Amino acid sequence: GQQLNQSPQSMFIQEGEDVSMNCTSSSIFNTWLWYKQDPGEGPVLLIALYKAGELTSNGRLTAQFGITRKDSFLNISASIPSDVGIYFCAGRTLYQGGSEKLVFGKGTKLTVNP
Amino acid sequence: ETGVTQSPTHLIKTRGQQVTLRCSSQSGHNTVSWYQQALGQGPQFIFQYYREEENGRGNFPPRFSGLQFPNYSSELNVNALELDDSALYLCASSRSGLDGYTFGSGTRLTVV
Repeated sequence: GQQLNQSPQSMFIQEGEDVSMNCTSSSIFNTWLWYKQDPGEGPVLLIALYKAGELTSNGRLTAQFGITRKDSFLNISASIPSDVGIYFCAGRTLYQGGSEKLVFGKGTKLTVNP
Repeated sequence: ETGVTQSPTHLIKTRGQQVTLRCSSQSGHNTVSWYQQALGQGPQFIFQYYREEENGRGNFPPRFSGLQFPNYSSELNVNALELDDSALYLCASSRSGLDGYTFGSGTRLTVV
């Protein structure tokens, strides 16, 4: 089945540093999404990417949809303590019966030291 | 606009029992999906409902079933609970074909 390889698995950084994480897949996706999940909460959408090659920013976050449609990266600039959490990439794909589903990576756990 | 709300937030059940989890979609969203998130893992797709019908299912057995109501709210039912069913169950709503999915905070199910 479809799988996403997300790396790194965890990161420990100092406040103010930039962060980069990425996802790769053996399958093509028509949309890439990046979510952040805090403990005890559901994932919250950060950025959605709809076209191959698309580069999108949301404040200090920047994400790109790979040209091959099989990868995506997320950058966080000038990290702050509230960036702590688990970041998930997700690929959206058409599924049987015309439905859609999201395939998630295993997450990148980010720790920011003040 | 209200987001996606799920109930209950936490639940403890005994192996073999049945459980029903509930979800209210975000206003304007007509598609509901359910995901299971085991500890330390990403969410796994269970199934999706659109116009009150299941129109896609992941690799989950038939004892996982669901309903979608005319107001787009939804239920997830799990029969014959097993210990491995312990997880965070997430409901996500969307406008079909548009935007990303909005997730609820989930129901933490513990099977003992």
